[in-house]
Amino acid sequence: KAGVTQTPRYLIKTRGQQVTLSCSPISGHRSVSWYQQTPGQGLQFLFEYFSETQRNKGNFPGRFSGRQFSNSRSEMNVSTLELGDSALYLCASSLRPSNYGYTFGSGTRLTVV
Amino acid sequence: DAKTTQPPSMDCAEGRAANLPCNHSTISGNEYVYWYRQIHSQGPQYIIHGLKNNETNEMASLIITEDRKSSTLILPHATLRDTAVYYCIVRVKHNYGQNFVFGPGTRLSVLP
Repeated sequence: KAGVTQTPRYLIKTRGQQVTLSCSPISGHRSVSWYQQTPGQGLQFLFEYFSETQRNKGNFPGRFSGRQFSNSRSEMNVSTLELGDSALYLCASSLRPSNYGYTFGSGTRLTVV
Repeated sequence: DAKTTQPPSMDCAEGRAANLPCNHSTISGNEYVYWYRQIHSQGPQYIIHGLKNNETNEMASLIITEDRKSSTLILPHATLRDTAVYYCIVRVKHNYGQNFVFGPGTRLSVLP
């Protein structure tokens, strides 16, 4: 079966712009989480969605937002991009939140110039 | 902050067992221990998870001490493709719910 699909794979944006990243979970998975990975901070949790509702949220500014659609696909948006937002953004899906394993996508590499 | 500590790096000879330790001394009774690995430029890959009993699957074995303060991931016959960063994670309760907190992990190098 298809894995977690993230689009686009690579993206270059300019400071001040906004960006939207997309994640399609594994079929049947209803929970989607987003992570940011940078060389300095490692993997950091952004937020988790289940049944179109944000269930968990990490310590990121309000410029980072997300949503989930009725088909469980999720998008995350970063507004007013800063150079420090350059990172690999990873999406992970699971049947539902709690103690289940998560399957990660290959990520979207965002470069802000 | 991550609730686990791992050695920053380890080497293992190809074909030998790789034993990756993890300390999680503040784990609470209902928190699971998860192991993921990340091969360069890819997303983390789920390996195994457990609560208090030892677990085994097609990829690895997880040995959890009786007091649950530490665990060991065992790759029984390491191959070059097992070279990766291995993360030991305790699912942390957060003000907003629960989420994974990744530490820096252990960089495992499997040597020919």
